[in-house]
Amino acid sequence: AQTVTQSQPEMSVQEAETVTLSCTYDTSESDYYLFWYKQPPSRQMILVIRQEAYKQQNATENRFSVNFQKAAKSFSLKISDSQLGDAAMYFCAYRSIMYNNNDMRFGAGTRLTVKP
Amino acid sequence: NAGVMQNPRHLVRRRGQEARLRCSPMKGHSHVYWYRQLPEEGLKFMVYLQKENIIDESGMPKERFSAEFPKEGPSILRIQQVVRGDSAAYFCASSPPGRANTGELFFGEGSRLTVL
Repeated sequence: AQTVTQSQPEMSVQEAETVTLSCTYDTSESDYYLFWYKQPPSRQMILVIRQEAYKQQNATENRFSVNFQKAAKSFSLKISDSQLGDAAMYFCAYRSIMYNNNDMRFGAGTRLTVKP
Repeated sequence: NAGVMQNPRHLVRRRGQEARLRCSPMKGHSHVYWYRQLPEEGLKFMVYLQKENIIDESGMPKERFSAEFPKEGPSILRIQQVVRGDSAAYFCASSPPGRANTGELFFGEGSRLTVL
């Protein structure tokens, strides 16, 4: 079974600085999706960024980028020029592309605090 | 284009009562997923449904929990004879079928169940 591990329960960053959130996963599959979701105090789960395992190029979305290391099964999220609105819980998630194994597995989350 | 709609947002039940949580997926989405989130934890998969079919219920407790996604109307997660340990946030997510599926799950705002 696939597992997702986020080893940093809490992280803190100064406004306008850069922070990296770590995520590792375990799988025997060769193709899959990886995601970072953000959950602000409103509890809405918001997609931040997605990566397809067959793509070697790291995904980027404005201030958010990932460092995808397939061999190491690592998928870290870098937030540049941090803003107060970035404060939230961040969840790393894995999803198989196989039809009969279609649920998304989440890590335990990292709580990001942004200091003004 | 309305997102995933969940209701009620908050539900309070006494031990032994029944809880019903409803979810309407995004327009055009035929796949529905239910997740449970305990305080300070990530989301745990419960069940995956398509119209009139349960595809994967491997995350559902064997007793008291059931889910359906009828041909007409919302998906319903039903918890019978609730206990205090059922207190959690329950999230519904949907995704489109076939080629429109990019792996991402679209989440509702969640329903918070409190059992007194």
